[in-house]
Amino acid sequence: EPEVTQTPSHQVTQMGQEVILRCVPISNHLYFYWYRQILGQKVEFLVSFYNNEISEKSEIFDDQFSVERPDGSNFTLKIRSTKLEDSAMYFCASKKDREFIGYTFGSGTRLTVV
Amino acid sequence: DAKTTQPNSMESNEEEPVHLPCNHSTISGTDYIHWYRQLPSQGPEYVIHGLTSNVNNRMASLAIAEDRKSSTLILHRATLRDAAVYYCILNAGGTSYGKLTFGQGTILTVHP
Repeated sequence: EPEVTQTPSHQVTQMGQEVILRCVPISNHLYFYWYRQILGQKVEFLVSFYNNEISEKSEIFDDQFSVERPDGSNFTLKIRSTKLEDSAMYFCASKKDREFIGYTFGSGTRLTVV
Repeated sequence: DAKTTQPNSMESNEEEPVHLPCNHSTISGTDYIHWYRQLPSQGPEYVIHGLTSNVNNRMASLAIAEDRKSSTLILHRATLRDAAVYYCILNAGGTSYGKLTFGQGTILTVHP
């Protein structure tokens, strides 16, 4: 079954450093998303991306965050200057088209900011 | 987004059916009812969705009340691998880019 692949599975970074989290969505999917889950808390929407632009973003997704689809396969989330509170699991998700309801999520990247 | 209410936790024995309830009294006519689950240390996984009629797939069944103000996810024979957090989510499918708003979900424990 097709999968959404996220790398790395675990990243440790120092506060203030930039990190890039990488995702390879399913190849024929058109809609891409990032979510995060702080330990013990709910899964939270960050951003949706379609047709090479952001279609919706949450209040969490401030100027420190950016997303990019640099080529036909990768979808990245960049955090410019990490804070301790950015420590969380980050999940990438994709879906095929606007009508299809089911997302496919990746297994996540655990980001630890020290 | 319309809100859903689920029990915090439920328990089941292996190979028994499990009925996971969800209340969504403020559902609108265009809201689809989605169920996702999250196994330990995994990302959420799509289970099933429906609009008005009951739905079946290889993972589960979804029973939707006639007034659509509640629904029940049915696992016909629970296995240990079904132990997860189950989320009931409403989303205006087909009319938006499909942001999902997760609640706390129901933690399902399956006993051998």
